[in-house]
Amino acid sequence: DVKVTQSSRYLVKRTGEKVFLECVQDMDHENMFWYRQDPGLGLRLIYFSYDVKMKEKGDIPEGYSVSREKKERFSLILESASTNQTSMYLCASSDARSGNTIYFGEGSWLTVV
Amino acid sequence: AQSVTQPDIHITVSEGASLELRCNYSYGATPYLFWYVQSPGQGLQLLLKYFSGDTLVQGIKGFEAEFKRSQSSFNLRKPSVHWSDAAEYFCAVVASGNTPLVFGKGTRLSVIA
Repeated sequence: DVKVTQSSRYLVKRTGEKVFLECVQDMDHENMFWYRQDPGLGLRLIYFSYDVKMKEKGDIPEGYSVSREKKERFSLILESASTNQTSMYLCASSDARSGNTIYFGEGSWLTVV
Repeated sequence: AQSVTQPDIHITVSEGASLELRCNYSYGATPYLFWYVQSPGQGLQLLLKYFSGDTLVQGIKGFEAEFKRSQSSFNLRKPSVHWSDAAEYFCAVVASGNTPLVFGKGTRLSVIA
């Protein structure tokens, strides 16, 4: 089975802190994604990556950056956390070999105070 | 641009009753179509997917969905709902190739005795 692991399930950070959300997948998938989920807004794509050291902006990239130094790892970075970034963050991966089916991690709940 | 509409924000059904969750998409060609389920506090789990072929697809947990090209719909059905089916359901669409999934805003299902 595909395993997408988000290292932190629950985080509380202060406004202005730099925050790292880590995601690792074990299926050698080429594609990785970061989504944000908020009540009433569904899932919104922040950034995605189709290859190592490659990144593409999604629908809501402002205030975020990403890093993909290794194929299995995709990190989301909040350079200076703000209260409006309090949310559930979901990492996902996919690959053409799986028919581009996206597999999700368990999610990271971030609260910025 | 692709879009997905789930017209029902919240649905309540009685245990044992049948269920249909609606999903309409906007896309020029036939996209790849997915249904995911999310239990509270968890990530998204794939229920089923449609790429091509038979327009009625079977998924896990007794769910099925039917692709209707003429209506641009991909509705999810279950003949008899169980209390454990209470969750949020997301329809998603992707064009072929390495493009990210576009999600609907979700339908929350409540099951009553």
